[in-house]
Amino acid sequence: DQQVKQNSPSLSVQEGRISILNCDYTNSMFDYFLWYKKYPAEGPTFLISISSIKDKNEDGRFTVFLNKSAKHLSLHIVPSQPGDSAVYFCAASAPGDMRFGAGTRLTVKP
Amino acid sequence: DTGVSQDPRHKITKRGQNVTFRCDPISEHNRLYWYRQTLGQGPEFLTYFQNEAQLEKSRLLSDRFSAERPKGSFSTLEIQRTEQGDSAMYLCASSLVSGDSYEQYFGPGTRLTVT
Repeated sequence: DQQVKQNSPSLSVQEGRISILNCDYTNSMFDYFLWYKKYPAEGPTFLISISSIKDKNEDGRFTVFLNKSAKHLSLHIVPSQPGDSAVYFCAASAPGDMRFGAGTRLTVKP
Repeated sequence: DTGVSQDPRHKITKRGQNVTFRCDPISEHNRLYWYRQTLGQGPEFLTYFQNEAQLEKSRLLSDRFSAERPKGSFSTLEIQRTEQGDSAMYLCASSLVSGDSYEQYFGPGTRLTVT
């Protein structure tokens, strides 16, 4: 069962514009959500997270939004840079359990 | 401490052979996780340890798989009688359980190819 879904396998944006990556989850027990970034031949790197008690968390160019009623979260990157090109994984967590989406490949074109 | 390390980075083995992978977590982290990732998918949880205790195992972890963390530091993942379907990237992650923070920090992975 896929409890975390990233329905867009790929996304292409122009440098300087906003990138929006989306993620949906089904299990209401998840209470902590994370975004990871992955370059080829490397393990996923933690990017940003949000607790279920918040609806927004911002860190520099990266902002994560959480809509609990819709069981949806999104990652906004603004402005997008070519170095942001990578695969982005959404993860949803409860104590001792973390589930990942299948990832979205972001390409930022110069 | 520069992060989570895994050894080897690549392993090619013949079907039926046993393989063992090692993970060294970030030193102050008390939790250690193993994941498997196949092409086009996100990491799939296999098992995790809190200190030396193995607290949870996924149903993906067949009886050919065993993991240990004998002293609460490094961990090993052994696959016995490998099958071609075991070919994947095996990722290790560690975390420090603190409040409501669940960030896990991943190693570079071990890519297993079973021929």
